[in-house]
Amino acid sequence: DAGITQSPRHKVTETGTPVTLRCHQTENHRYMYWYRQDPGHGLRLIHYSYGVKDTDKGEVSDGYSVSRSKTEDFLLTLESATSSQTSVYFCAISGTEETQYFGPGTRLLVL
Amino acid sequence: GIQVEQSPPDLILQEGANSTLRCNFSDSVNNLQWFHQNPWGQLINLFYIPSGTKQNGRLSATTVATERYSLLYISSSQTTDSGVYFCAVSSGNTGKLIFGQGTTLQVKP
Repeated sequence: DAGITQSPRHKVTETGTPVTLRCHQTENHRYMYWYRQDPGHGLRLIHYSYGVKDTDKGEVSDGYSVSRSKTEDFLLTLESATSSQTSVYFCAISGTEETQYFGPGTRLLVL
Repeated sequence: GIQVEQSPPDLILQEGANSTLRCNFSDSVNNLQWFHQNPWGQLINLFYIPSGTKQNGRLSATTVATERYSLLYISSSQTTDSGVYFCAVSSGNTGKLIFGQGTTLQVKP
């Protein structure tokens, strides 16, 4: 299994507070992705990174920002959390544009 | 953007039965992957298969890119096969996957 960890695994926060989720990999893969999974919507791409300091938007990027200062870490920040951002967040990595490997997920509840 | 449709949405099988899951996509793709999400939420990559046929144990997949569909075959199903199967596609060179809604499979003992 690819070495991917996500932290925290569970988080409860209040509307309006900032939240940062971390994805850490030990595979030295170039590409990293953040997805959210919601009932009725499947998985949707939020942001992705194709290298250190190189990031781009996915299909549901509003309200989210990302940073990648090191190959192994990809951070997802909710600047001011809203209830609509309650979801399960998955990080994925890929050495090429091909096979993606997913982390265990983070369950976020925004009250 | 590309639309991805999976069928059937739900499937219930007895242990030992075979099944075929289908993924249709609306435009040309250069990346197609199948994933299994187990009941604990973990997503496992099954196949990277933008074209052709691959097999891995009891699972096999075929993608006919010119006709814009892919099939996932599960033979001699086991209860551990239960979960949701996702097809995901991409048409660029960034790996930005678009997921289908999934097929929920329940295998009964």
